[in-house]
Amino acid sequence: GDSVTQMEGPVTLSEEAFLTINCTYTATGYPSLFWYVQYPGEGLQLLLKATKADDKGSNKGFEATYRKETTSFHLEKGSVQVSDSAVYFCALDMRFGAGTRLTVKP
Amino acid sequence: NAGVTQTPKFRVLKTGQSMTLLCAQDMNHEYMYWYRQDPGMGLRLIHYSVGEGTTAKGEVPDGYNVSRLKKQNFLLGLESAAPSQTSVYFCATRTVNTEAFFGQGTRLTVV
Repeated sequence: GDSVTQMEGPVTLSEEAFLTINCTYTATGYPSLFWYVQYPGEGLQLLLKATKADDKGSNKGFEATYRKETTSFHLEKGSVQVSDSAVYFCALDMRFGAGTRLTVKP
Repeated sequence: NAGVTQTPKFRVLKTGQSMTLLCAQDMNHEYMYWYRQDPGMGLRLIHYSVGEGTTAKGEVPDGYNVSRLKKQNFLLGLESAAPSQTSVYFCATRTVNTEAFFGQGTRLTVV
């Protein structure tokens, strides 16, 4: 069945460092792919999405490209901030990865 | 516009007690979901509904029941709570092929 595998972390970075969180998927069709973010004590909220191959989702400096050839949807940000500290979830429709906790230190 | 509201936000139960968690949405979404979130295990789907009057089992349905009598409400019931059901519970809603909208979560402790 369809599934998503996500780099689990935790990930600790210094402010202004480059971020990559890996996400790969297995799917029989062409599902939509999502990245969600969860701040402490809150529910998940959409960060970005892509609905078809080669689409790039972007929001708040984060980007991810739906790559059919490598079945990947890696999350990237060029310069992280302390306020980006959160747990990030990759999702294939309503199937979620295990989540990656990111901590950004000043 | 409240979005997705979960009630209660916190609860402590004794083993064997019962309770119902309420998820209410005002976005007219067809699909509703209940997940539990445990450390290191991500989100696991308990039950879901694709429309009023319909429910289906997810990945970890044992010990839980659900009902969707009205389109805007999705109830999750624990008939006889066990310590293994200590978790944070999230409700989510969406319409076809769109992103999900989540509630703030219910933190449940079973002692």
